[in-house]
Amino acid sequence: GQSLEQPSEVTAVEGAIVQINCTYQTSGFYGLSWYQQHDGGAPTFLSYNALDGLEETGRFSSFLSRSDSYGYLLLQELQMKDSASYFCAVRAPNSGGYQKVTFGTGTKLQVIP
Amino acid sequence: GAVVSQHPSWVICKSGTSVKIECRSLDFQATTMFWYRQFPKQSLMLMATSNEGSKATYEQGVEKDKFLINHASLTLSTLTVTSAHPEDSSFYICSTRDRNTGELFFGEGSRLTVL
Repeated sequence: GQSLEQPSEVTAVEGAIVQINCTYQTSGFYGLSWYQQHDGGAPTFLSYNALDGLEETGRFSSFLSRSDSYGYLLLQELQMKDSASYFCAVRAPNSGGYQKVTFGTGTKLQVIP
Repeated sequence: GAVVSQHPSWVICKSGTSVKIECRSLDFQATTMFWYRQFPKQSLMLMATSNEGSKATYEQGVEKDKFLINHASLTLSTLTVTSAHPEDSSFYICSTRDRNTGELFFGEGSRLTVL
């Protein structure tokens, strides 16, 4: 099976940079994704890493090290609207040969003025 | 990206009744849809993978007779919570997956409260 660990809560100041880490254990691995979820809403896709290294998309960047089973999401120039929960998610094969996505425990980010 | 519509957004029902939640893929044909459940302040837990024209694949610990999934067309999957009990109260979210990128697109979610 799969298990993913993230810090439960992070607080950062508006305009600052914050890094949210994710470590995972999985049998089979295609890649690591990140999703953002505001309270009461559905998750939205942020990024995906299949290979080692850094992927940058605007203010958000995501890093993966497959040998360390580790990744992180980096948020720069934090804005108040970035306050949300962030989930890492592993994409891996399931027993039926399909691809399934398993979510981490989630990190609640609070951005303060 | 894909557009997924889920209905109803909110539902309150009495214990023992059944509730049906619909998930529609509005702009592409989805042979596979995923149903997740999320309890307050917790992560999304995959319940089952819905396959068009065949039986759903349930995750370990999910009762297939209690959570009935039907994927009768390429644009519609339904989840029926049968004989609902208060412990079934949760946020149920469906998703489709982009075939090229693997990105998940989620519906708006359905918040079920069982009294």
